[in-house]
Amino acid sequence: GAGVSQSPSNKVTEKGKDVELRCDPISGHTALYWYRQSLGQGLEFLIYFQGNSAPDKSGLPSDRFSAERTGGSVSTLTIQRTQQEDSAVYLCASRLGRSQETQYFGPGTRLLVL
Amino acid sequence: QQQVKQSPQSLIVQKGGISIINCAYENTAFDYFPWYQQFPGKGPALLIAIRPDVSEKKEGRFTISFNKSAKQFSLHIMDSQPGDSATYFCAASFPAGNNRKLIWGLGTSLAVNP
Repeated sequence: GAGVSQSPSNKVTEKGKDVELRCDPISGHTALYWYRQSLGQGLEFLIYFQGNSAPDKSGLPSDRFSAERTGGSVSTLTIQRTQQEDSAVYLCASRLGRSQETQYFGPGTRLLVL
Repeated sequence: QQQVKQSPQSLIVQKGGISIINCAYENTAFDYFPWYQQFPGKGPALLIAIRPDVSEKKEGRFTISFNKSAKQFSLHIMDSQPGDSATYFCAASFPAGNNRKLIWGLGTSLAVNP
């Protein structure tokens, strides 16, 4: 497929465990975003990548959250020592480049922390 | 303040009726205004977008009306169909270095009754 893919689609974990969420952007898209969407809420920006660098990490809620991107493609969002308030849908989006505005979203990873 | 205020929070429309969702913004640096549609279990998808140099854009049954002086824009869905039932997000974008920052409204849950 040519769209943004995310894995896993669902993740149930216990409080205190670490989780890794993966995003495969559209091929050739240089910009990549992570968002968090809580039930019935809007989209909360977490982090923006341009290539492999992250010039905007302002949305990461705490130092338990980190993300990396390798090869200008796949990105991983890691949440350490998960808390129940981390339960949400984590969405990844990619954008072609600086002159293109549209963000294309993946289906999200639904994280439930018990 | 970089906010986008969206209303109503929820909307129920009869099949064939007109659905209207409104958004307002403050930051005059915004230069791109997209609307995203999100079905349950899916990521948001771009529906239609407008730039501030035009007052209206129409694509099929979907129309954006833009009032630059009032800093308001709205989505009109003509002849609403049950398949239009989804959550709609307005957003506003501005350039930020190499990035395009996207500020989101909180969403409108639309239900179209058959």
